[in-house]
Amino acid sequence: GQQLNQSPQSMFIQEGEDVSMNCTSSSIFNTWLWYKQEPGEGPVLLIALYKAGELTSNGRLTAQFGITRKDSFLNISASIPSDVGIYFCAGQLRNNDMRFGAGTRLTVKP
Amino acid sequence: NAGVMQNPRHLVRRRGQEARLRCSPMKGHSHVYWYRQLPEEGLKFMVYLQKENIIDESGMPKERFSAEFPKEGPSILRIQQVVRGDSAAYFCASSPTLGHGAYEQYFGPGTRLTVT
Repeated sequence: GQQLNQSPQSMFIQEGEDVSMNCTSSSIFNTWLWYKQEPGEGPVLLIALYKAGELTSNGRLTAQFGITRKDSFLNISASIPSDVGIYFCAGQLRNNDMRFGAGTRLTVKP
Repeated sequence: NAGVMQNPRHLVRRRGQEARLRCSPMKGHSHVYWYRQLPEEGLKFMVYLQKENIIDESGMPKERFSAEFPKEGPSILRIQQVVRGDSAAYFCASSPTLGHGAYEQYFGPGTRLTVT
């Protein structure tokens, strides 16, 4: 099936630093979504992107839908301890057919 | 507006028993998806259902696993004759029917199945 390559696999950063993670694929996606998952919980939708080139912000989070429709990135500015968790990208090939990246595990040191 | 609800949150079964996992989608959502997550891994798609219909079950094992979403009541993921390898977190997600939001899947808290 279509694979999403998400990187980095993990990040250890100091509180206040900015974070960047990305997903790439050999396939073209119609929609990109970014989720955050905390231990013992389900993924929570952070940002949804619908158009190539689209740049969307949600507070300190900014995500972009790559112009080729094969990639997306998520930036977190001025990280805080509660940003800790696993961030997943997800791409939709067609209506309701979604594939997930393997996740980026973020650790923020106070 | 209540979110996606799943129960039980934790389920322990002995090998050979049946596991039944329930999912109630968000109000107004008619699409339900089931995913499986092993520790330290991402989510793997299993099945996509609408009311009374299985739309895509390409990610579900052919044997022992079945899913339904009846006209009334929650969606059920059933695993018969469980084996240790079935131990995982099972997540349900739902999405609305029409518009941009139809592509946004909202997840429940998951059911953690442990097979002993």
